[in-house]
Amino acid sequence: DGGITQSPKYLFRKEGQNVTLSCEQNLNHDAMYWYRQDPGQGLRLIYYSQIVNDFQKGDIAEGYSVSREKKESFPLTVTSAQKNPTAFYLCASSIDLGLAGYNEQFFGPGTRLTVL
Amino acid sequence: SQQGEEDPQALSIQEGENATMNCSYKTSINNLQWYRQNSGRGLVHLILIRSNEREKHSGRLRVTLDTSKKSSSLLITASRAADTASYFCATDVQGAQKLVFGQGTRLTINP
Repeated sequence: DGGITQSPKYLFRKEGQNVTLSCEQNLNHDAMYWYRQDPGQGLRLIYYSQIVNDFQKGDIAEGYSVSREKKESFPLTVTSAQKNPTAFYLCASSIDLGLAGYNEQFFGPGTRLTVL
Repeated sequence: SQQGEEDPQALSIQEGENATMNCSYKTSINNLQWYRQNSGRGLVHLILIRSNEREKHSGRLRVTLDTSKKSSSLLITASRAADTASYFCATDVQGAQKLVFGQGTRLTINP
Protein backbone atom coordinates (compact mmCIF):
# COMPACT_ATOMS: atom_id res chain seq x y z
CA ASP A 1 0.00 0.00 0.00
CA GLY A 2 1.30 3.38 -0.95
CA GLY A 3 0.44 6.24 1.30
CA ILE A 4 1.28 8.60 4.08
CA THR A 5 1.19 7.57 7.72
CA GLN A 6 1.20 9.53 10.94
CA SER A 7 1.78 8.33 14.46
CA PRO A 8 0.56 8.32 17.08
CA LYS A 9 -3.12 8.91 16.42
CA TYR A 10 -3.63 10.43 19.86
CA LEU A 11 -0.94 12.11 21.95
CA PHE A 12 -1.14 13.61 25.41
CA ARG A 13 1.49 15.96 26.69
CA LYS A 14 2.11 17.70 29.95
CA GLU A 15 2.86 21.39 29.85
CA GLY A 16 6.55 22.07 29.43
CA GLN A 17 7.28 18.89 27.49
CA ASN A 18 8.45 18.61 23.91
CA VAL A 19 6.76 15.99 21.75
CA THR A 20 7.55 14.69 18.27
CA LEU A 21 4.91 13.69 15.74
CA SER A 22 5.90 11.20 13.09
CA CYS A 23 5.10 11.46 9.37
CA GLU A 24 6.23 8.90 6.81
CA GLN A 25 5.40 8.56 3.12
CA ASN A 26 6.22 5.90 0.56
CA LEU A 27 4.87 7.81 -2.42
CA ASN A 28 8.32 9.00 -3.50
CA HIS A 29 7.12 12.59 -3.14
CA ASP A 30 9.63 15.41 -2.91
CA ALA A 31 7.45 17.90 -1.03
CA MET A 32 6.05 17.44 2.47
CA TYR A 33 3.97 19.71 4.69
CA TRP A 34 2.71 20.08 8.25
CA TYR A 35 -0.61 21.73 9.00
CA ARG A 36 -2.48 22.55 12.18
CA GLN A 37 -6.27 22.39 12.35
CA ASP A 38 -8.32 23.82 15.21
CA PRO A 39 -11.98 22.86 15.76
CA GLY A 40 -14.25 24.10 13.00
CA GLN A 41 -11.37 25.76 11.22
CA GLY A 42 -9.36 25.31 8.07
CA LEU A 43 -5.74 24.28 7.88
CA ARG A 44 -2.81 26.52 8.73
CA LEU A 45 0.66 25.78 7.39
CA ILE A 46 3.38 25.20 9.98
CA TYR A 47 6.39 24.10 7.93
CA TYR A 48 7.04 22.66 4.50
CA SER A 49 9.94 20.98 2.76
CA GLN A 50 10.59 20.86 -0.95
CA ILE A 51 13.57 18.53 -0.78
CA VAL A 52 15.73 16.59 1.64
CA ASN A 53 17.74 18.73 4.07
CA ASP A 54 15.72 21.83 3.26
CA PHE A 55 12.58 23.23 4.87
CA GLN A 56 10.75 26.53 5.12
CA LYS A 57 8.61 28.20 7.75
CA GLY A 58 4.91 28.48 7.10
CA ASP A 59 2.44 30.88 8.66
CA ILE A 60 2.59 29.61 12.25
CA ALA A 61 6.10 28.15 12.73
CA GLU A 62 6.76 29.64 16.17
CA GLY A 63 7.07 26.93 18.81
CA TYR A 64 7.56 24.16 16.24
CA SER A 65 10.60 22.56 14.63
CA VAL A 66 11.10 20.03 11.84
CA SER A 67 13.81 18.02 10.12
CA ARG A 68 14.04 16.38 6.71
CA GLU A 69 16.96 13.96 6.81
CA LYS A 70 15.26 11.41 4.59
CA LYS A 71 12.89 11.84 1.65
CA GLU A 72 10.33 9.58 3.31
CA SER A 73 10.23 11.24 6.71
CA PHE A 74 9.28 14.69 8.00
CA PRO A 75 8.88 14.68 11.80
CA LEU A 76 7.40 17.65 13.64
CA THR A 77 8.45 18.60 17.16
CA VAL A 78 6.05 20.65 19.23
CA THR A 79 8.18 22.46 21.75
CA SER A 80 7.31 23.92 25.12
CA ALA A 81 7.51 27.34 23.47
CA GLN A 82 4.23 26.66 21.64
CA LYS A 83 1.68 28.38 23.87
CA ASN A 84 -1.46 26.60 22.73
CA PRO A 85 -0.48 23.29 21.16
CA THR A 86 -3.75 21.39 21.59
CA ALA A 87 -4.93 20.77 18.04
CA PHE A 88 -5.23 18.26 15.20
CA TYR A 89 -1.99 17.99 13.21
CA LEU A 90 -1.99 16.89 9.60
CA CYS A 91 0.96 15.90 7.45
CA ALA A 92 0.76 15.97 3.68
CA SER A 93 2.95 15.30 0.68
CA SER A 94 2.94 16.13 -3.01
CA ILE A 95 5.05 15.13 -5.98
CA ASP A 96 6.67 18.56 -5.98
CA LEU A 97 5.63 22.17 -5.99
CA GLY A 98 4.79 21.97 -9.67
CA LEU A 99 5.78 24.12 -12.58
CA ALA A 100 2.39 25.84 -12.68
CA GLY A 101 1.55 25.89 -9.03
CA TYR A 102 0.90 23.31 -6.40
CA ASN A 103 -0.03 19.77 -7.25
CA GLU A 104 -2.60 17.88 -5.26
CA GLN A 105 -1.60 17.03 -1.73
CA PHE A 106 -2.01 13.64 -0.11
CA PHE A 107 -2.81 13.73 3.58
CA GLY A 108 -2.10 11.41 6.47
CA PRO A 109 -4.81 10.47 9.00
CA GLY A 110 -3.69 13.09 11.52
CA THR A 111 -2.48 13.20 15.10
CA ARG A 112 -4.64 14.74 17.79
CA LEU A 113 -2.44 16.38 20.43
CA THR A 114 -3.86 17.30 23.80
CA VAL A 115 -1.93 19.23 26.44
CA LEU A 116 -2.94 18.28 29.95
CA SER B 1 -11.86 38.21 5.55
CA GLN B 2 -9.62 35.42 4.34
CA GLN B 3 -8.42 34.08 1.02
CA GLY B 4 -10.55 31.05 0.25
CA GLU B 5 -13.79 31.60 2.14
CA GLU B 6 -16.47 28.95 1.77
CA ASP B 7 -20.17 29.60 1.80
CA PRO B 8 -22.33 28.36 3.41
CA GLN B 9 -20.52 27.31 6.59
CA ALA B 10 -22.99 24.48 7.04
CA LEU B 11 -25.46 22.80 4.68
CA SER B 12 -28.03 20.12 5.43
CA ILE B 13 -30.00 18.45 2.62
CA GLN B 14 -31.96 15.28 1.90
CA GLU B 15 -30.36 12.31 0.21
CA GLY B 16 -30.75 12.53 -3.54
CA GLU B 17 -30.72 16.32 -3.66
CA ASN B 18 -27.87 18.34 -5.13
CA ALA B 19 -25.42 20.21 -2.88
CA THR B 20 -23.68 23.39 -3.92
CA MET B 21 -20.81 25.00 -2.04
CA ASN B 22 -19.05 28.22 -2.95
CA CYS B 23 -15.54 29.53 -2.45
CA SER B 24 -14.36 33.10 -2.86
CA TYR B 25 -10.81 34.32 -2.89
CA LYS B 26 -8.99 37.62 -3.15
CA THR B 27 -5.78 37.37 -5.17
CA SER B 28 -4.63 35.82 -8.44
CA ILE B 29 -4.23 32.07 -8.37
CA ASN B 30 -2.47 29.31 -10.29
CA ASN B 31 -5.15 26.80 -9.45
CA LEU B 32 -7.93 26.04 -7.01
CA GLN B 33 -8.41 22.68 -5.34
CA TRP B 34 -11.29 21.08 -3.45
CA TYR B 35 -10.76 18.63 -0.61
CA ARG B 36 -13.05 16.53 1.53
CA GLN B 37 -12.55 15.68 5.20
CA ASN B 38 -14.52 13.10 7.13
CA SER B 39 -14.77 13.83 10.84
CA GLY B 40 -11.46 13.31 12.60
CA ARG B 41 -9.68 12.16 9.46
CA GLY B 42 -7.19 13.54 6.96
CA LEU B 43 -8.19 15.44 3.84
CA VAL B 44 -8.79 13.75 0.52
CA HIS B 45 -8.18 15.59 -2.74
CA LEU B 46 -11.28 15.78 -4.94
CA ILE B 47 -10.48 17.96 -7.91
CA LEU B 48 -8.06 20.62 -9.17
CA ILE B 49 -9.06 23.35 -11.60
CA ARG B 50 -6.44 25.57 -13.18
CA SER B 51 -6.85 29.31 -13.61
CA ASN B 52 -7.37 28.95 -17.38
CA GLU B 53 -10.16 26.41 -16.95
CA ARG B 54 -13.81 27.25 -16.37
CA GLU B 55 -15.39 23.91 -15.52
CA LYS B 56 -14.33 20.38 -14.61
CA HIS B 57 -16.24 17.21 -13.89
CA SER B 58 -15.35 14.12 -11.92
CA GLY B 59 -18.11 11.57 -11.40
CA ARG B 60 -20.89 13.31 -9.45
CA LEU B 61 -18.71 16.37 -8.87
CA ARG B 62 -18.79 19.51 -10.96
CA VAL B 63 -16.47 22.42 -10.26
CA THR B 64 -16.64 25.83 -11.85
CA LEU B 65 -14.15 28.67 -11.67
CA ASP B 66 -14.83 32.31 -12.45
CA THR B 67 -11.56 34.22 -12.20
CA SER B 68 -13.25 37.55 -12.97
CA LYS B 69 -15.39 37.13 -9.84
CA LYS B 70 -12.65 35.28 -7.96
CA SER B 71 -15.03 32.49 -7.06
CA SER B 72 -15.52 28.77 -7.47
CA SER B 73 -18.37 26.40 -6.82
CA LEU B 74 -18.50 22.69 -6.07
CA LEU B 75 -21.68 20.85 -7.02
CA ILE B 76 -22.35 17.34 -5.77
CA THR B 77 -25.24 15.77 -7.65
CA ALA B 78 -27.55 13.05 -6.38
CA SER B 79 -26.12 13.26 -2.87
CA ARG B 80 -25.67 10.19 -0.69
CA ALA B 81 -25.39 9.78 3.07
CA ALA B 82 -21.72 8.92 2.55
CA ASP B 83 -21.11 12.43 1.18
CA THR B 84 -21.53 13.78 4.71
CA ALA B 85 -18.21 15.53 5.42
CA SER B 86 -16.51 18.92 5.47
CA TYR B 87 -15.43 20.33 2.13
CA PHE B 88 -12.54 22.77 1.78
CA CYS B 89 -11.33 24.86 -1.07
CA ALA B 90 -7.62 25.58 -1.29
CA THR B 91 -6.14 28.29 -3.44
CA ASP B 92 -2.67 28.14 -4.87
CA VAL B 93 -1.86 31.84 -4.68
CA GLN B 94 0.60 33.14 -7.23
CA GLY B 95 3.92 33.90 -5.57
CA ALA B 96 2.83 32.69 -2.13
CA GLN B 97 4.43 29.22 -2.29
CA LYS B 98 1.62 27.58 -0.35
CA LEU B 99 -1.96 26.41 -0.52
CA VAL B 100 -4.36 28.57 1.46
CA PHE B 101 -7.30 26.63 2.87
CA GLY B 102 -10.69 28.07 3.64
CA GLN B 103 -12.63 27.25 6.80
CA GLY B 104 -14.79 24.70 5.05
CA THR B 105 -18.45 23.84 4.52
CA ARG B 106 -19.92 21.15 6.75
CA LEU B 107 -22.27 19.10 4.60
CA THR B 108 -24.85 16.79 6.17
CA ILE B 109 -26.88 14.44 3.99
CA ASN B 110 -30.04 13.25 5.73
CA PRO B 111 -31.31 9.79 4.74
